[in-house]
Amino acid sequence: KAGVTQTPRYLIKTRGQQVTLSCSPISGHRSVSWYQQTPGQGLQFLFEYFSETQRNKGNFPGRFSGRQFSNSRSEMNVSTLELGDSALYLCASSSTSLAYNEQFFGPGTRLTVL
Amino acid sequence: AQTVTQSQPEMSVQEAETVTLSCTYDTSESDYYLFWYKQPPSRQMILVIRQEAYKQQNATENRFSVNFQKAAKSFSLKISDSQLGDAAMYFCAYRSGAYNQGGKLIFGQGTELSVKP
Repeated sequence: KAGVTQTPRYLIKTRGQQVTLSCSPISGHRSVSWYQQTPGQGLQFLFEYFSETQRNKGNFPGRFSGRQFSNSRSEMNVSTLELGDSALYLCASSSTSLAYNEQFFGPGTRLTVL
Repeated sequence: AQTVTQSQPEMSVQEAETVTLSCTYDTSESDYYLFWYKQPPSRQMILVIRQEAYKQQNATENRFSVNFQKAAKSFSLKISDSQLGDAAMYFCAYRSGAYNQGGKLIFGQGTELSVKP
């Protein structure tokens, strides 16, 4: 069974631009969560989608948005990029949104904002 | 709000020895799950072990075991017979059992474990 895939793996953008990151969950998984990982703030929850609906959202500005498609693939978008948005963005998929289900993480997208 | 604290930024262990990584958490909930995740350098994060708060018995997975002290809100990870492949960043994480919290994991700051041959 293929694991969680994220594209692209690396991105370099400049301040003010926008970016879209993609996550394909494990086949059959309907829940996708997104996390931002930085040296200073650690791992922080961005949002979770289940069956195309956002179930939960972390404490991030409105510049961060996401969506999920009918095939469970998910995208997150960051508009008007700031230097502080440089981070590793991880997505994780799970068969359901229930707490006991294991989340499987992708390799991440490394975003650098210049 | 729930918080997770890992007070050891770095730990080191000799190959074949045992090491314990510490984690404390704060919550007012009674239904929750605790996890230890491993993130090797430049590799994907993987689940090491999971503990349900309602279970009194400590979880064990091969060389990995936890010491879950619910009253003290402590959740430490013990790695026995350490191997070179255990070298990684280890994250302690909390997940609420409340339905409206969904898949949200709250992570500690991580402990970087090095294994000396």
